[in-house]
Amino acid sequence: NAGVTQTPKFRVLKTGQSMTLLCAQDMNHEYMYWYRQDPGMGLRLIHYSVGEGTTAKGEVPDGYNVSRLKKQNFLLGLESAAPSQTSVYFCASSYGDSSGNTIYFGEGSWLTVV
Amino acid sequence: GQQVMQIPQYQHVQEGEDFTTYCNSSTTLSNIQWYKQRPGGHPVFLIQLVKSGEVKKQKRLTFQFGEAKKNSSLHITATQTTDVGTYFCAGHGGSQGNLIFGKGTKLSVKP
Repeated sequence: NAGVTQTPKFRVLKTGQSMTLLCAQDMNHEYMYWYRQDPGMGLRLIHYSVGEGTTAKGEVPDGYNVSRLKKQNFLLGLESAAPSQTSVYFCASSYGDSSGNTIYFGEGSWLTVV
Repeated sequence: GQQVMQIPQYQHVQEGEDFTTYCNSSTTLSNIQWYKQRPGGHPVFLIQLVKSGEVKKQKRLTFQFGEAKKNSSLHITATQTTDVGTYFCAGHGGSQGNLIFGKGTKLSVKP
């Protein structure tokens, strides 16, 4: 049982390049999330999904897009990377909404934009 | 919007000393969750508190939820080097919305 798996773990991008972070969960969870973590800022929600085919904006959605074509996968896209997007990105999932349900996090993806 | 404040930001203790981190919300919470993140790792769920005044214990860790459901604390008795990491509280405001994470308290333990 792998839980939440993110790829890639590390990536260096040049400003203006695009990339997609992949997240997969094998727990049959309905809800999936993308967070970014920056020093002193805690975890901030970028986008989330309450089920296959649905997405919604979180606290800091600008510059990112997401897709949830399959229940087990949640993709985070950067269309034109900026240095301000240098961060650690965590994918997460939960069985139901975050009220009363544990959130399971992936191991993180370290992204540097130069 | 809803905010969750967590203090202190950093705490350095000698092994064996106690440690407490506090979490305060600007609004009443339906529940609060606590997570631990080891250095270089990912957040891992510790516990959830739901009831007003609730107290839960996990070995040396004691979690409290305030009577007004606007604050919470995590207390570690006799810290060990294995307690090193960042502790996050995360509050949920109700049926709508998502968990709002505090900025975390980074604990270091000197052997």
